[in-house]
Amino acid sequence: AQSVTQLGSHVSVSEGALVLLRCNYSSSVPPYLFWYVQYPNQGLQLLLKYTTGATLVKGINGFEAEFKKSETSFHLTKPSAHMSDAAEYFCAVRPHRGGFKTIFGAGTRLFVKA
Amino acid sequence: DTEVTQTPKHLVMGMTNKKSLKCEQHMGHRAMYWYKQKAKKPPELMFVYSYEKLSINESVPSRFSPECPNSSLLNLHLHALQPEDSALYLCASSQEGSGSSYNEQFFGPGTRLTVL
Repeated sequence: AQSVTQLGSHVSVSEGALVLLRCNYSSSVPPYLFWYVQYPNQGLQLLLKYTTGATLVKGINGFEAEFKKSETSFHLTKPSAHMSDAAEYFCAVRPHRGGFKTIFGAGTRLFVKA
Repeated sequence: DTEVTQTPKHLVMGMTNKKSLKCEQHMGHRAMYWYKQKAKKPPELMFVYSYEKLSINESVPSRFSPECPNSSLLNLHLHALQPEDSALYLCASSQEGSGSSYNEQFFGPGTRLTVL
């Protein structure tokens, strides 16, 4: 069965510092990979996705992620954190031929200090 | 229009009440989803409709009853809920079909449900 592991339930960075949120998946075949962001009392918004092709994926709000098949990882980065980046981030996977189920990681809460 | 809308935003109900949550999308998506999200947890899949037919029911108690009247609308009927059912209920949709780009889910803002 597929699973998603997000290392660190909480990550705290200073404004202007690098943001790194870690995600590893387990699957015999690379799935579709997603990062979602959720602000308090809101729904999930897609930041970026990897389907096929280029392994470095650029998303909205200056975020990017790199798919590394050998490490089964899809870590999310942003060069310079902004206060508005404080939110919950979910890594998610969906198998290419697995029906409709998207498997979410447990989430990482990002705190940004002034 | 790339929005999924949900009404109401907030709902407070007693354990004997009957209420409904509504979700709407006009993106032509053929799959629609209900998720339940408790505080500090990821969304949990409840139901999936594909082409207006129920495709997945994740062993959800019968006090939750989904309905898909047409390809743009999804309802969740609630009856005799328990306090532990209090949560954020999220609706999502995806295009579905061949090709990877169809698998992205678009989420609505959610309905915050409180059961007293």
